[in-house]
Amino acid sequence: DIVMTQSPDSLAVSLGERATISCKSSQSVLYSANNKNYVAWYQQKAGQPPKLLIYWASTRESGVPDRFSGSGSGTDFTLTISRLKAEDVAVYYCQQYYTTPRTFGQGTKVEIK
Amino acid sequence: EVQLLESGGGLVQPGGSQRLSCAASGFTFNNYAMSWVRQAPGKGLEWVSIIRGSGGTTYYADSVKGRFTLSRDNSKNILYLQMDSLRVEDTAIYYCAKGGTTHDAFDNWGQGTMVTVSS
Repeated sequence: DIVMTQSPDSLAVSLGERATISCKSSQSVLYSANNKNYVAWYQQKAGQPPKLLIYWASTRESGVPDRFSGSGSGTDFTLTISRLKAEDVAVYYCQQYYTTPRTFGQGTKVEIK
Repeated sequence: EVQLLESGGGLVQPGGSQRLSCAASGFTFNNYAMSWVRQAPGKGLEWVSIIRGSGGTTYYADSVKGRFTLSRDNSKNILYLQMDSLRVEDTAIYYCAKGGTTHDAFDNWGQGTMVTVSS
């Protein structure tokens, strides 16, 4: 199974500042035939289901604000929230869909400092 | 608008069975892979199972393999999860999730249904 490891487990960021979350996969999730990284990022606010933010490691889902961006390739990925807003308080998960079992990172809780 | 509505959760004793349903609308159901993802109280997300649009191929997490069965009725736009030999550790919110059009990430999720396994 591909293990997805996020860091940090939690972080507190001031409003308007940058939040950066790392996700490392235990093996490459880059498919050479199409040069795509099979990684997604989700946001889960308290009491709500997860919401897709990013797929193919860097493609923003329709309607997601452009302050959210994804980057990385192979085994190392990053979710960046460029200017944190109060509404961004949530737990963020990375996930690989390269193979089954699909696996998620353990989650990173983002709070306001 | 895509809608996914789960039902069938509740309290069940260890060793018991439960069937979850997910009623889908707002998209051509048989064109999309569908999954169940669960979340134990206060814990992270755990993928459970996936079924392809045609219904022919299913995959399961090792933690549920041999106990859970995923199926779909494309004529009724309903996804099912039959859960047998339930264990206390199966206690979780179970979310139905839809695969994307050009990718296999989960682009729409239901609100979830809570399953509690307890004596």
